[in-house]
Amino acid sequence: GAVVSQHPSRVICKSGTSVKIECRSLDFQATTMFWYRQFPKQSLMLMATSNEGSKATYEQGVEKDKFLINHASLTLSTLTVTSAHPEDSSFYICSARAGFYNQPQHFGDGTRLSIL
Amino acid sequence: RKEVEQDPGPFNVPEGATVAFNCTYSNSASQSFFWYRQDCRKEPKLLMSVYSSGNEDGRFTAQLNRASQYISLLIRDSKLSDSATYLCVVPQGGKLIFGQGTELSVKP
Repeated sequence: GAVVSQHPSRVICKSGTSVKIECRSLDFQATTMFWYRQFPKQSLMLMATSNEGSKATYEQGVEKDKFLINHASLTLSTLTVTSAHPEDSSFYICSARAGFYNQPQHFGDGTRLSIL
Repeated sequence: RKEVEQDPGPFNVPEGATVAFNCTYSNSASQSFFWYRQDCRKEPKLLMSVYSSGNEDGRFTAQLNRASQYISLLIRDSKLSDSATYLCVVPQGGKLIFGQGTELSVKP
């Protein structure tokens, strides 16, 4: 099946640090990738939709200057949490869609971010 | 009404039991549906896709009722390894809309 790799899987860092998370589709080309955040006992919340070669589309309430997204190729999207604070601590998950609009997305294994 | 709504559970069942989850969706134009499972502190993994009236894969059966706008997931002969949160997901506008998930705990 489709494989999406996410790195790193765990980050612990000090407040004020910027953290970069990578999402790669390993065996298919992903024109669209998605970034989610999940807090404990809650469902996934879409943060932004990332299209290769264009600017990301952010969901309402998500600060684009805080969460920088780059989708430079068909197999790689990155999320940078700038000047992270403890309230940014969460489980960040990317996903990629190989084909059409209503096809399922395949998820990376997530990044657990803890800001001290 | 929420776009995708599920009973959060938890459902506590013994091994070997049959358990069913329901999910309702608000957009009558939705054409495809997915069930994902998510283990604690892990990413969601696709379990089943539903494009027509239903789909069966081994012990898992998904059924779609378009008139009533609900999708169900039936798990037969539950295993301990089935313990997880099951997410009902509906694509809409190029995005995935997630239900809040139904937690299943299978006990020996």
